[in-house]
Amino acid sequence: QQQVKQSPQSLIVQKGGISIINCAYENTAFDYFPWYQQFPGKGPALLIAIRPDVSEKKEGRFTISFNKSAKQFSLHIMDSQPGDSATYFCAANNFNKFYFGSGTKLNVKP
Amino acid sequence: DADVTQTPRNRITKTGKRIMLECSQTKGHDRMYWYRQDPGLGLRLIYYSFDVKDINKGEISDGYSVSRQAQAKFSLSLESAIPNQTALYFCATSEGARETQYFGPGTRLLVL
Repeated sequence: QQQVKQSPQSLIVQKGGISIINCAYENTAFDYFPWYQQFPGKGPALLIAIRPDVSEKKEGRFTISFNKSAKQFSLHIMDSQPGDSATYFCAANNFNKFYFGSGTKLNVKP
Repeated sequence: DADVTQTPRNRITKTGKRIMLECSQTKGHDRMYWYRQDPGLGLRLIYYSFDVKDINKGEISDGYSVSRQAQAKFSLSLESAIPNQTALYFCATSEGARETQYFGPGTRLLVL
């Protein structure tokens, strides 16, 4: 059973558009929610992360929105660029373990 | 040089063979992890270790074993490989429980 559910599985966005990826979880013990970016042939790399005591975190063009009551969080990529084309994973941490979503393959068209 | 290295990068083996995947890190982190990645399933935790004497099972440890030879080295073994262990395997390290995980480049394993 997937602890973190991620959607959509794939996403196509035009250059300059907004990319939105959503994740949902059930375990209220999760207390750290990172997003990882993975390029082909590489390992995932941390993009941005949030803790449940804040509702939003922004770093450059990347924003995490966090809704604790709904147990959902999302990644927004503003002004999406072709270089953002990659697979994105959300994750949730329960002290010792990370649980990852199934991944979203983003393709930003020039 | 990369902070987290994995060897081999690619491996083809046959059903029933024993195989070892190795991971080394120069980040000085105590925590090390092994994950497998399958299309549509994301990354799933196989084993994790908080120090040389502390080894813990993850979500999908059946059919796998690990060895923490030193703070910097964490190996994953498949005692008798089977085709459904064909996957991309990643090693990762972190400094603490809610800290960034740093991933290696991965090992692509094909079991025939």
